[in-house]
Amino acid sequence: KNEVEQSPQNLTAQEGEFITINCSYSVGISALHWLQQHPGGGIVSLFMLSSGKKKHGRLIATINIQEKHSSLHITASHPRDSAVYICAAPYSGGGADGLTFGKGTHLIIQP
Amino acid sequence: ETGVTQSPTHLIKTRGQQVTLRCSSQSGHNTVSWYQQALGQGPQFIFQYYREEENGRGNFPPRFSGLQFPNYSSELNVNALELDDSALYLCASSWEGRQEAFFGQGTRLTVV
Repeated sequence: KNEVEQSPQNLTAQEGEFITINCSYSVGISALHWLQQHPGGGIVSLFMLSSGKKKHGRLIATINIQEKHSSLHITASHPRDSAVYICAAPYSGGGADGLTFGKGTHLIIQP
Repeated sequence: ETGVTQSPTHLIKTRGQQVTLRCSSQSGHNTVSWYQQALGQGPQFIFQYYREEENGRGNFPPRFSGLQFPNYSSELNVNALELDDSALYLCASSWEGRQEAFFGQGTRLTVV
């Protein structure tokens, strides 16, 4: 089973700051997911990446497959970015199975 | 809007009862996974169904079972409910060969 670790668990920052959330996993994978969860439970998929970097608006995700590490960055953070950010990797490293999730990073952006 | 719908949104059951949670996947998505998220924790993989057959399972007892139907809907059944089964239950659908997953809003189950 893949083990997924995230850091930090909690992060409070001021509006405009550059945010970095880190994720590491134990079993080699073909792709990693970054997800956003708002209060009430709904999960939205932000990125699925297998190499290099992806950018969507103010969000940037990077992955280093060799080091089994990924980061999610938020530029010019805004209070509406406040949410729980979760990284997830295939449960057993690949193939047709579910995801193993990190415990999430609870991000609060203060005005 | 992910195109994945779960019902009901909230549910209260008594210990020992049985519960059925439902998930309607995006059309064409033949793979559905179910997850349990306890308060303050990340989701835990329960099992996955592919073309109506169980295709993988996490560390959950047999009283957690599922069904997947040809119309892209699926069910999670939990027998002999325990207090620790209180959690948010999420389903996620995808198309075979593609790891991108689309999540529903979840069903909040409370066992009293």
